[in-house]
Amino acid sequence: AQSVTQLDSHVSVSEGTPVLLRCNYSSSYSPSLFWYVQHPNKGLQLLLKYTSAATLVKGINGFEAEFKKSETSFHLTKPSAHMSDAAEYFCVVSHTTDKLIFGTGTRLQVFP
Amino acid sequence: EAGVTQFPSHSVIEKGQTVTLRCDPISGHDNLYWYRRVMGKEIKFLLHFVKESKQDESGMPNNRFLAERTGGTYSTLKVQPAELEDSGVYFCASSNGGIGNTIYFGEGSWLTVV
Repeated sequence: AQSVTQLDSHVSVSEGTPVLLRCNYSSSYSPSLFWYVQHPNKGLQLLLKYTSAATLVKGINGFEAEFKKSETSFHLTKPSAHMSDAAEYFCVVSHTTDKLIFGTGTRLQVFP
Repeated sequence: EAGVTQFPSHSVIEKGQTVTLRCDPISGHDNLYWYRRVMGKEIKFLLHFVKESKQDESGMPNNRFLAERTGGTYSTLKVQPAELEDSGVYFCASSNGGIGNTIYFGEGSWLTVV
């Protein structure tokens, strides 16, 4: 069985400071891992994906995530937060890519 | 190129009524998915079409939900009769398919059952 755990339901940072959104996964197979973002009243947008190539994955808007098999983690980071980063972020695991398993989401607030 | 489009964006219906949600996938995408997020819960898979065939409908909650994709283009998801617990956001998504392919999501249809 596959699952993801997002360790924080809410994260608050000041603009210009680093962002860390934590995600641990469980999978019996080599997983594909994704981060999606949902801005208010918008759809889900893919930030980045890991599919067994490079363990450090770079995404859009300056986000990146590192796949660490030994820690079963896929944390999302960004060096410097921007006000426009305020949104809800979802860590997602999949074995087949056709059925995505979502985490419960982390709501990121960015203060000026 | 148009993304995944969903209609209606919002709907409010009474318990016992019927609602039909429509999804137009990205042109050329054979794979179409429905997901939903009910209040306070995570986003969950409902079903997967490949063209007009249901590939996997293991996430459909009960027989009040009926999904169709006639002709392998757009899809509809009907809820009949709607119950209070059906309130939430219904996401449609599409992809070209295959390992590593990106699944693109629509903006969701927000359903409120009162």
